[in-house]
Amino acid sequence: NAGVTQTPKFRILKIGQSMTLQCAQDMNHNYMYWYRQDPGMGLKLIYYSVGAGITDKGEVPNGYNVSRSTTEDFPLRLELAAPSQTSVYFCASSSSDTYEQYFGPGTRLTVT
Amino acid sequence: EDKVVQSPLSLVVHEGDTVTLNCSYEVTNFRSLLWYKQEKKAPTFLFMLTSSGIEKKSGRLSSILDKKELFSILNITATQTGDSAIYLCAVSPFNYQLIWGAGTKLIIKP
Repeated sequence: NAGVTQTPKFRILKIGQSMTLQCAQDMNHNYMYWYRQDPGMGLKLIYYSVGAGITDKGEVPNGYNVSRSTTEDFPLRLELAAPSQTSVYFCASSSSDTYEQYFGPGTRLTVT
Repeated sequence: EDKVVQSPLSLVVHEGDTVTLNCSYEVTNFRSLLWYKQEKKAPTFLFMLTSSGIEKKSGRLSSILDKKELFSILNITATQTGDSAIYLCAVSPFNYQLIWGAGTKLIIKP
């Protein structure tokens, strides 16, 4: 049982490039989330999903897209990367009967 | 607007001291309050509180919720250097989203 996994761990992008951050969970959780965390700040919700085929915007969705074709996977797509997207990205999941969220190890992204 | 405010934002104490971290909230349809510890990586779950006045305890850490005054405290007794971390508070207004505070950065000096 790996929990929540994220790839890559680190990535450097040039301005205008695109990339996909991968997230997978093996706990059969319905709910999945993408957060970003800037230095010294709390977590900001980018997108979330309540089940396969259903996604919705969080607090800071601009510049990002998501899809949820299976229960296990919830990739985050960055189009036209900007320096403001330099951050640590966390994926999390939770079941429908508890509010506890389980986090992946994070992806540290730098856009230069 | 729903919000969660943590205080202090940072705290430096010596090993062996007792610390109290605060979390106040304003949310509609409160369901639960959660505490997480974040060291150099992902947040890890500490406690979930749903009822007022019932203390949750794990070793030297304890937490309690006051739903009337809309706050929670996290106590750490006999602090150790390994307790150095960012402590995050989050509140669930719905059954799947969390509203996060900015965190309290705790530094324990030997």
